[in-house]
Amino acid sequence: DSGVTQTPKHLITATGQRVTLRCSPRSGDLSVYWYQQSLDQGLQFLIHYYNGEERAKGNILERFSAQQFPDLHSELNLSSLELGDSALYFCASSASGGGLYGYTFGSGTRLTVV
Amino acid sequence: GDSVTQMEGPVTLSEEAFLTINCTYTATGYPSLFWYVQYPGEGLQLLLKATKADDKGSNKGFEATYRKETTSFHLEKGSVQVSDSAVYFCALRSGNTGNQFYFGTGTSLTVIP
Repeated sequence: DSGVTQTPKHLITATGQRVTLRCSPRSGDLSVYWYQQSLDQGLQFLIHYYNGEERAKGNILERFSAQQFPDLHSELNLSSLELGDSALYFCASSASGGGLYGYTFGSGTRLTVV
Repeated sequence: GDSVTQMEGPVTLSEEAFLTINCTYTATGYPSLFWYVQYPGEGLQLLLKATKADDKGSNKGFEATYRKETTSFHLEKGSVQVSDSAVYFCALRSGNTGNQFYFGTGTSLTVIP
């Protein structure tokens, strides 16, 4: 157990729907990062939050949004889902805003859009 | 921009064989370098890291040396085991781009008995 908790582990939904993925960082970590892992695109950085504030955005679609709450858990909202959004979504956390010592990853949420 | 390039897989080795997975990087400034491992059905786990040139990271028999002159961070292990079968990711943390991490595409390793 890495200490980073992601729920749900699996999610199957239809095109056009909206889903919310949840991440609880490791205790004491202030930074949360979201990544999308697909077979054809590898690991793509989506967004980084530090202590409730957005710090960096990567290849995140406008249909996707995220936030980090005062208790430091984070949610990734995916809307108007398309078949191509099917992927593994990973959350990672780190103690500092810069991830100097690396990230700790959760076990991911596997999203299947049908 | 900053990026990481790692050797394409898949790689298949016999148990006790020597492993090398090549990783090269492009970065401005002084990045930190990492290797992560992903076992089937799991998230990525930090395997080892090096934060400055000539540093050697090591863990579980794996090692990698940060070579600034060749911009490389190749992963090596002298004798692989079946339990080493996983996907290995090379990553770079760039201090010049908001401390962003850049991951390679991953190299799948299968070790056969």
